[in-house]
Amino acid sequence: KQEVTQIPAALSVPEGENLVLNCSFTDSAIYNLQWFRQDPGKGLTSLLLIQSSQREQTSGRLNASLDKSSGRSTLYIAASQPGDSATYLCAVLTGANSKLTFGKGITLSVRP
Amino acid sequence: NAGVTQTPKFQVLKTGQSMTLQCAQDMNHEYMSWYRQDPGMGLRLIHYSVGAGITDQGEVPNGYNVSRSTTEDFPLRLLSAAPSQTSVYFCASSPAGSYNEQFFGPGTRLTVL
Repeated sequence: KQEVTQIPAALSVPEGENLVLNCSFTDSAIYNLQWFRQDPGKGLTSLLLIQSSQREQTSGRLNASLDKSSGRSTLYIAASQPGDSATYLCAVLTGANSKLTFGKGITLSVRP
Repeated sequence: NAGVTQTPKFQVLKTGQSMTLQCAQDMNHEYMSWYRQDPGMGLRLIHYSVGAGITDQGEVPNGYNVSRSTTEDFPLRLLSAAPSQTSVYFCASSPAGSYNEQFFGPGTRLTVL
């Protein structure tokens, strides 16, 4: 059974810091990995999708990497801003029917 | 495109009542799924569908029923609500194939008293 772990559960950093959020998964037979952002009381917004054959994806200040063999992904946020404060969820797609397995998320607080 | 829409946004039920959570998407996506999100548990898959007329169970299907008569709609039915079903419910959709991005609706916050 696929398990996804995100540690730590919460993180607080000062504005301007570059930071890395980690995600690990137990079964390397994934189709893709997706990073989401969730604001309090809101739905999930997709940030980046990395296919199993890719090593990284970039969007603006965000960069996500994938090391499938070691079961790890990182989300790099450059020059963090208070508006980046949210919960970041990692999810892996396994099986042929688009079933996502989620981590429990990392709640990020960026202090002004 | 409206994307993935869910109704209602909030609902309060009494134990034993039944209700249907609505989900619709206008992107012509084949795959649709329902998740529940609980504190400390993360998101867990309830039911999913790979196309009209085809549904299957996810990780936590008990107490829920689904059907998929059209590509656009994927309602989730609570047959007899229990306090353990208090949660936030999210619907998601994606194009067919195992390599595609999933899109989520805004969620329905359900409280069962």
